Amino acid sequence: DAGVIQSPRHEVTEMGQEVTLRCKPISGHDYLFWYRQTMMRGLELLIYFNNNVPIDDSGMPEDRFSAKMPNASFSTLKIQPSEPRDSAVYFCASSFGGGGGSPLHFGNGTRLTVT
Amino acid sequence: AQSVTQLDSQVPVFEEAPVELRCNYSSSVSVYLFWYVQYPNQGLQLLLKYLSGSTLVESINGFEAEFNKSQTSFHLRKPSVHISDTAEYFCAVVNAGGTSYGKLTFGQGTILTVHP
Repeated sequence: DAGVIQSPRHEVTEMGQEVTLRCKPISGHDYLFWYRQTMMRGLELLIYFNNNVPIDDSGMPEDRFSAKMPNASFSTLKIQPSEPRDSAVYFCASSFGGGGGSPLHFGNGTRLTVT
Repeated sequence: AQSVTQLDSQVPVFEEAPVELRCNYSSSVSVYLFWYVQYPNQGLQLLLKYLSGSTLVESINGFEAEFNKSQTSFHLRKPSVHISDTAEYFCAVVNAGGTSYGKLTFGQGTILTVHP
């Protein structure tokens, strides 16, 4: 089992540019989550999917953020246009079953720096 | 709404000493509780969880946590730490049942640093 795979590991971009973060969940998992981690706000849930369908996107900070899951093995988080305050580590996580007790399996994250 | 408070942002300790990382939560409904660990430049990994049953839960690497409903706490302990335990530890809570579906609320994290 390769675990949750995220790419790129690091992304440096200029303000105003489009950024796309990618995630491959663990095969067989039916829930996928996008989290953002910053020193100031800690870990924040941005959005999660069940069987490729977005269920709750209330954590998405604003319309500049969008997420898709076109199939069970791939998801993207896009920021357009990016701003310096978007700088953070973005984590993707997946789980099986989705019940409250199902543990999350996290990827190693994408460290985004917007200058 | 739920909240999680980790009472210490940093805990320095010497190798082979005992350690306790404190976690308190607030919730109006029954909850499941978790501890996750994050090593540098990695994602979070599940350390242990409490769902039901015995209030004392253990991990495979010697950590344990005890669910105390009356004090709304879920403190993490280890009787003797190793250098390799140096990491950031996150307490998390989620509604038991319902439609929470893994929508965890995390604490701010506690950085455990083990010195030789």
